[in-house]
Amino acid sequence: DSGVTQTPKHLITATGQRVTLRCSPRSGDLSVYWYQQSLDQGLQFLIQYYNGEERAKGNILERFSAQQFPDLHSELNLSSLELGDSALYFCASSVAAGFFNEQFFGPGTRLTVL
Amino acid sequence: ELKVEQNPLFLSMQEGKNYTIYCNYSTTSDRLYWYRQDPGKSLESLFVLLSNGAVKQEGRLMASLDTKARLSTLHITAAVHDLSATYFCAVDLPNSGGSNYKLTFGKGTLLTVNP
Repeated sequence: DSGVTQTPKHLITATGQRVTLRCSPRSGDLSVYWYQQSLDQGLQFLIQYYNGEERAKGNILERFSAQQFPDLHSELNLSSLELGDSALYFCASSVAAGFFNEQFFGPGTRLTVL
Repeated sequence: ELKVEQNPLFLSMQEGKNYTIYCNYSTTSDRLYWYRQDPGKSLESLFVLLSNGAVKQEGRLMASLDTKARLSTLHITAAVHDLSATYFCAVDLPNSGGSNYKLTFGKGTLLTVNP
């Protein structure tokens, strides 16, 4: 158990809908990262927040957005869902955003878009 | 743009045998991480390599880093079935301002250890 929690574990929804994935980092970790993992794209970095501020963006679609709240939990919002958005979404956390970046991954949310 | 390449992508081996997974990356970095992922599960941190020549060992797995060659290896000794999983390497690089680091992952090596 990494100490990172994610809810829900599974999510089934329809195309065009909007969902919110939630992540709580390990105690003391200020950085939160979101990743998407699918068979065809592999593990893709989406976005990073550090202490409430966006720090880095990866291959995140405009339909997706995220935020980190004052209590450091983070939410990833996915809207206008398409079939291709079906994937495993991971949240990871690390102590900081600087020199040492070992990331600890949550159990993931499996999103299925029908 | 940093590229991280692992090979092989698929590895089927017999119990008791030795093998090495390679991780090459395109830009100088002295920080590299190895992760393990079981099917449908999360990624588990295995090794953190923070300098040239770093070597870490845990059980039947040993990881090393050669920053000059931009190469890390994950060596498996006397494989057992429980090692069957996907192994990812990830390289840490700062942004242009040096204030933030981002991990770039390889595609992963799916290891199957057969009895």
